[in-house]
Amino acid sequence: ETGVTQTPRHLVMGMTNKKSLKCEQHLGHNAMYWYKQSAKKPLELMFVYNFKEQTENNSVPSRFSPECPNSSHLFLHLHTLQPEDSALYLCASSQVSGRASRETQYFGPGTRLLVL
Amino acid sequence: GQQLNQSPQSMFIQEGEDVSMNCTSSSIFNTWLWYKQDPGEGPVLLIALYKAGELTSNGRLTAQFGITRKDSFLNISASIPSDVGIYFCAGPSEGYGQNFVFGPGTRLSVLP
Repeated sequence: ETGVTQTPRHLVMGMTNKKSLKCEQHLGHNAMYWYKQSAKKPLELMFVYNFKEQTENNSVPSRFSPECPNSSHLFLHLHTLQPEDSALYLCASSQVSGRASRETQYFGPGTRLLVL
Repeated sequence: GQQLNQSPQSMFIQEGEDVSMNCTSSSIFNTWLWYKQDPGEGPVLLIALYKAGELTSNGRLTAQFGITRKDSFLNISASIPSDVGIYFCAGPSEGYGQNFVFGPGTRLSVLP
């Protein structure tokens, strides 16, 4: 148990569906992240939220829409996805202090997404 | 931008053997993190290193922060079947800050 939970763990959706992924962190951190992990590819950073404000959008298509209502919750809204969007979507959190780096990042278990 | 390289990409070892893998970068990192990922799960933090030359252990795992700050090493002693997985190194991008850079991973297989 890392203190970061994600739901659902598995999701199958059609290209016309709308769904949302949810992430919750119980670590008191102030930054949250969405990553995409495709087979045999490195982790790809998608979005970063720091103090509920989006500070990074790594050229992610608009069919992915993040939402961070507070520092403990992060959502990824999905609509009109493509089959190549099938991947493991990982949420992570960290405590950003701005001082000499003692930051670490903790991951949730991921949502395995299959787009048909 | 910053990139991390890991070697080997994959390795097959016999149960009971020791394992060594490394992570290198062309730029300096002030923190090195080592994660393990089991299939279908998120990466789990194994060891965090914050000081050049630092040597830290976590059970059978030992990691070192290279003196040059451009590399780090992870050793696993007396491997067991549950050590199977992908091992990632990571560090904060551009030295400090909220974004992290991940290596491509080393895939470890342990043969009984």
